Amino acid sequence: NAGVTQTPKFRILKIGQSMTLQCTQDMNHNYMYWYRQDPGMGLKLIYYSVGAGITDKGEVPNGYNVSRSTTEDFPLRLELAAPSQTSVYFCASRLTTSEQYFGPGTRLTVT
Amino acid sequence: GENVEQHPSTLSVQEGDSAVIKCTYSDSASNYFPWYKQELGKRPQLIIDIRSNVGEKKDQRIAVTLNKTAKHFSLHITETQPEDSAVYFCAASRQGAQKLVFGQGTRLTINP
Repeated sequence: NAGVTQTPKFRILKIGQSMTLQCTQDMNHNYMYWYRQDPGMGLKLIYYSVGAGITDKGEVPNGYNVSRSTTEDFPLRLELAAPSQTSVYFCASRLTTSEQYFGPGTRLTVT
Repeated sequence: GENVEQHPSTLSVQEGDSAVIKCTYSDSASNYFPWYKQELGKRPQLIIDIRSNVGEKKDQRIAVTLNKTAKHFSLHITETQPEDSAVYFCAASRQGAQKLVFGQGTRLTINP
């Protein structure tokens, strides 16, 4: 199993541009999550999904959108990127009562 | 909803000494308490977890203790080594909960 994979690893965006961060898991996990982690800070939940077709907002959803059309994929869309969205983005997944696995992260800079 | 407080935010110990990080939680129904370690530039990874039907769990130099009455749980690292330097996160959730609630993190530095 590859576990949780994320692409790209790094990205630089100009203000106002849009992009999609990809996340895929091959463990047949029902729950998937997107977090952002600012330098020296903790994990803030952006969006999460409990299964295909179901998504819900976390603590900091503004400026982001998600979709979950399959069990495996949970892309995060940034529209009109802003400097405040400069961060490291982690995708994660788990079964209902199991360990939560994190992807390797995407380091995003908006200038 | 659940709220998890983690202390201290930074901790510096001499190599070979013990380190203790404490978390308190608010939801008395929470019954799953994992600890994650995040090395610099890497992803968080589970190092140990405990469920509320046990009071203590050990894995080599790390241990977690749980006090359900006081609603707190702690991570203990003995005989610390330089590779223990990292950020540690605690988390809590109840059975059936849709998400883990994470603490704010503790930056542990092991001084040689």
